[in-house]
Amino acid sequence: SYALTQSPSVSVAPGQTARITCGGNNIGSKSVHWYQQKPGQAPVLVVYDDSDRPSGIPERFSGSNSGNTATLTISRVEAGDEADYSCQVWDSSSDHPVFGGGTKLTVL
Amino acid sequence: QVQLVESGGGVVQPGRSLRLSCAASGFTFSSYGIHWVRQAPGKGLEWVALISYDGSNKDYADSVKGRFTISRDNSKNTLYLQMNSLRTEDTAVYYCAKDRADDDGDYVFDNWGQGTLVTVSS
Repeated sequence: SYALTQSPSVSVAPGQTARITCGGNNIGSKSVHWYQQKPGQAPVLVVYDDSDRPSGIPERFSGSNSGNTATLTISRVEAGDEADYSCQVWDSSSDHPVFGGGTKLTVL
Repeated sequence: QVQLVESGGGVVQPGRSLRLSCAASGFTFSSYGIHWVRQAPGKGLEWVALISYDGSNKDYADSVKGRFTISRDNSKNTLYLQMNSLRTEDTAVYYCAKDRADDDGDYVFDNWGQGTLVTVSS
């Protein structure tokens, strides 16, 4: 099955830019979706189809996808952005969705 | 606004059964595919099952196929997950999640419930 690789953790100071990556074989050919999950809360879709934002998600959240890496970028990071972020794609070999292991974003 | 509320979790012995429910409101329930997604303690998210808007199509992860059954009652705006032959590795928080696309769904999860914890232990 298709494997997605995420770094376990990323740290960034408030006001700076956080980049969270999701690696996979030729992931650039797939649509990537990103979910934010704060402790004890339900996941929230923050980016879909590589770079689109659902209504209500701040413009500070953006996405890109090329080659073997998809990236979620959070600009002007705030304390409230501290959460786990998971990527997700459709795996055509298994005909099922797969998630990355998640990256914990810490705001210093 | 969309609201999904899971219930039915608890502690169960290996080999036993449990049924989860998910009550939906704030959208036309009968128009959307709905999923179950789970998260084991300290682990990532794992998709479990999908049921299409009218219940005619169902899809399962290999890890639960043959043991879990997804169903829905559109008259009650409620989703179910019947879990049989439970294993310790099924221990997780179980979330119901609405698909973003109407009809059969396209496996993008645009609204989630708060989850219900299932613990399988002797």
